[in-house]
Amino acid sequence: KQEVTQIPAALSVPEGENLVLNCSFTDSAIYNLQWFRQDPGKGLTSLLLIQSSQREQTSGRLNASLDKSSGRSTLYIAASQPGDSATYLCAVKLKTSYDKVIFGPGTSLSVIP
Amino acid sequence: EADIYQTPRYLVIGTGKKITLECSQTMGHDKMYWYQQDPGMELHLIHYSYGVNSTEKGDLSSESTVSRIRTEHFPLTLESARPSHTSQYLCASSGFFKEQYFGPGTRLTVT
Repeated sequence: KQEVTQIPAALSVPEGENLVLNCSFTDSAIYNLQWFRQDPGKGLTSLLLIQSSQREQTSGRLNASLDKSSGRSTLYIAASQPGDSATYLCAVKLKTSYDKVIFGPGTSLSVIP
Repeated sequence: EADIYQTPRYLVIGTGKKITLECSQTMGHDKMYWYQQDPGMELHLIHYSYGVNSTEKGDLSSESTVSRIRTEHFPLTLESARPSHTSQYLCASSGFFKEQYFGPGTRLTVT
């Protein structure tokens, strides 16, 4: 059974710091991995999508890596800003008929001005 | 640009009322999903659909029902709302590269 975990559960950093969020999954038979951002009481915004054949994706200050063999993904945020404060979730899509997605519990990030 | 819409965004309703949460997407996606999320908690899949006239229950048991008569529309209905249904409901669809797009959510409060 696929399980997704995220470490740390919460993180507080001063503005300008670079930071890394971690995501682990137990079954490497995934179709893709997606990182989302969720602001309080809002929906999820897709940040980066990494297909199983890819190693990393970049968008602006964000870089996500994927190591399927070890069941890990990292989200790197460069030069953090207060506007980055949110909960970050990773999700793996399984190779099932309805594209089942397993979400991690999220990392709550707070960037202090 | 993801085009997936949910209405209403917020709803406060009394116990016993029937409610329908609307979800529409304009991307032509076949697969659509409903998730339930309590504040600060994880997302739980409650319903999904492969396409028109196809609906299945998700991992979390829910008293709600769904229908998929048109590709773009995936409404969720509660026949008799109860306080235990108070939660945020998120609709999503799955794209060509199997990425998930989410709507803004409906925050439901049942008094």
